[in-house]
Amino acid sequence: GEDVEQSLFLSVREGDSSVINCTYTDSSSTYLYWYKQEPGAGLQLLTYIFSNMDMKQDQRLTVLLNKKDKHLSLRIADTQTGDSAIYFCGDNSGNTPLVFGKGTRLSVIA
Amino acid sequence: DAGVIQSPRHEVTEMGQEVTLRCKPISGHNSLFWYRQTMMRGLELLIYFNNNVPIDDSGMPEDRFSAKMPNASFSTLKIQPSEPRDSAVYFCASSSQGLGEQYFGPGTRLTVT
Repeated sequence: GEDVEQSLFLSVREGDSSVINCTYTDSSSTYLYWYKQEPGAGLQLLTYIFSNMDMKQDQRLTVLLNKKDKHLSLRIADTQTGDSAIYFCGDNSGNTPLVFGKGTRLSVIA
Repeated sequence: DAGVIQSPRHEVTEMGQEVTLRCKPISGHNSLFWYRQTMMRGLELLIYFNNNVPIDDSGMPEDRFSAKMPNASFSTLKIQPSEPRDSAVYFCASSSQGLGEQYFGPGTRLTVT
């Protein structure tokens, strides 16, 4: 079945850029998503990209999609302590529910 | 809108007891999802409904788990009998924009002793 892989941990210094990577296997993906989970809370949709795009920018967030390599990344510019959370990559093929990765725990060091 | 509402937020119960988790989706959303999150297995989709009808329950781990959606504004996830390995955070999510753009509730932390 569909598989979504992410590295489990990332640590960055406050003010630096963070890059969280994700790979997926489903070649029929239509949308790819990034969700954020803060401690004690549910997941919150951050941003998403349509599969015919290769980049999407939203304020400090940049999503890059390499469809050939099935690789998705989320770049957070000027990372702040409030960005510390778990980030989930999600893959959707239209009529099937999201398949999530296991999440990347981002720690921001002040 | 208040967002997705889940109750209780915390539940501690003894092995063998019945547990019922509740969810009220966002008004107007027609898809509802139940997830389970643990450190070992990450986030697992248990079941999802579309227009109150269960579409895919292949993620439900055992017959001890059951879910219902009697109307568009309420769903339950029941575990009977509960076991210690059911301890996890259970999330409910709803969506009106297909199956990808989901809004999550705050979760119910279940501890089975």
